[in-house]
Amino acid sequence: KAGVTQTPRYLIKTRGQQVTLSCSPISGHRSVSWYQQTPGQGLQFLFEYFSETQRNKGNFPGRFSGRQFSNSRSEMNVSTLELGDSALYLCASSLVAQGDRGYTFGSGTRLTVV
Amino acid sequence: KQEVTQIPAALSVPEGENLVLNCSFTDSAIYNLQWFRQDPGKGLTSLLLIQSSQREQTSGRLNASLDKSSGRSTLYIAASQPGDSATYLCAVRPSNDYKLSFGAGTTVTVRA
Repeated sequence: KAGVTQTPRYLIKTRGQQVTLSCSPISGHRSVSWYQQTPGQGLQFLFEYFSETQRNKGNFPGRFSGRQFSNSRSEMNVSTLELGDSALYLCASSLVAQGDRGYTFGSGTRLTVV
Repeated sequence: KQEVTQIPAALSVPEGENLVLNCSFTDSAIYNLQWFRQDPGKGLTSLLLIQSSQREQTSGRLNASLDKSSGRSTLYIAASQPGDSATYLCAVRPSNDYKLSFGAGTTVTVRA
């Protein structure tokens, strides 16, 4: 079956712009989480959605937002980009039900802010 | 707040040697622990998932143990190969939440 699909794979943006990243979870998975990975901070949790509701949010400024659609696909948006937002953004999906099989991650979107 | 530590940060071994990677966590109220592999610039590949009620999980040359009470997990990779070269991350899911706390990873190099 298809894995977690993230688009686009690479993005280059200018400071001050905004960006939208997309994540399609594994079919049947209703939980989608987003993580930011940087060399200095490692993997940090951004937010988690389940059935279109944000259940948890990490310690990131309000410029980072997300949403989940009825088909479980999710988008995250970063407004007013800063150089420090350059990172690998990873999306993960999970069944989150009896017999939880953990999280499956996508290949990520590499965002470079110049 | 859950803190996850992985030691060592880097490891270089000759091909054929067994690998032992350590992960420790501060809060034992976990739902499960998951080991991942990450190749440079790529996403995370799940290796093993251990539920809080389990002591170990095995898949091929990989074996992971979990001692929840002491806050430790160990990933063993038998008979290492150059293709095992990657960064290995452990992640803990708390029992009352859905976000993962990650360690900083152990970067493994297997020399041919």
